[in-house]
Amino acid sequence: DGGITQSPKYLFRKEGQNVTLSCEQNLNHDAMYWYRQDPGQGLRLIYYSQIVNDFQKGDIAEGYSVSREKKESFPLTVTSAQKNPTAFYLCASSIQGREKLFFGSGTQLSVL
Amino acid sequence: ELKVEQNPLFLSMQEGKNYTIYCNYSTTSDRLYWYRQDPGKSLESLFVLLSNGAVKQEGRLMASLDTKARLSTLHITAAVHDLSATYFCAGIPPGTYKYIFGTGTRLKVLA
Repeated sequence: DGGITQSPKYLFRKEGQNVTLSCEQNLNHDAMYWYRQDPGQGLRLIYYSQIVNDFQKGDIAEGYSVSREKKESFPLTVTSAQKNPTAFYLCASSIQGREKLFFGSGTQLSVL
Repeated sequence: ELKVEQNPLFLSMQEGKNYTIYCNYSTTSDRLYWYRQDPGKSLESLFVLLSNGAVKQEGRLMASLDTKARLSTLHITAAVHDLSATYFCAGIPPGTYKYIFGTGTRLKVLA
């Protein structure tokens, strides 16, 4: 079945550590997105990518980095510069951007 | 810059009752999306509204779009417990690929 796979489901970060969240899709979608969700709040856009080897900052990109070396993959690195990383991270994709989004199951990141 | 606001933020309703969730957006958004999220889960697409006056229905949920008023509504008819979830609307400015989400409406349907 086609879909978006995020891993791990739960992740713990030590202070000063960089961690990487994985997002893989087999829907053959061009556009991929990373959102952050804090408890009881909406989704805020971190980064998005319309094509391979190109990506744009969203509204809260500071302390995060991404890469898009393959169409299927859009990993997100939470760097030590992100001082408040505890949140639920959602990866999404759409066919070319502007159609409905398909979401992965999310990664809950917590700080030790 | 597009901003999307939903109200109410919380809604507790009795089974069998009708209610409407409102989604206002600040600048032009040439399409409007509705999503559902169950607790601890991901988001599921409900509706995509593409033009002024668009209306879509699925079961007890009906969504509409008024681009002149910059307003979308999600109407719930004869609510049932299974509809308990958080509902998000999202807009997208013309010519961009940035989906902007509202803060969500947490709906609880009481038996």
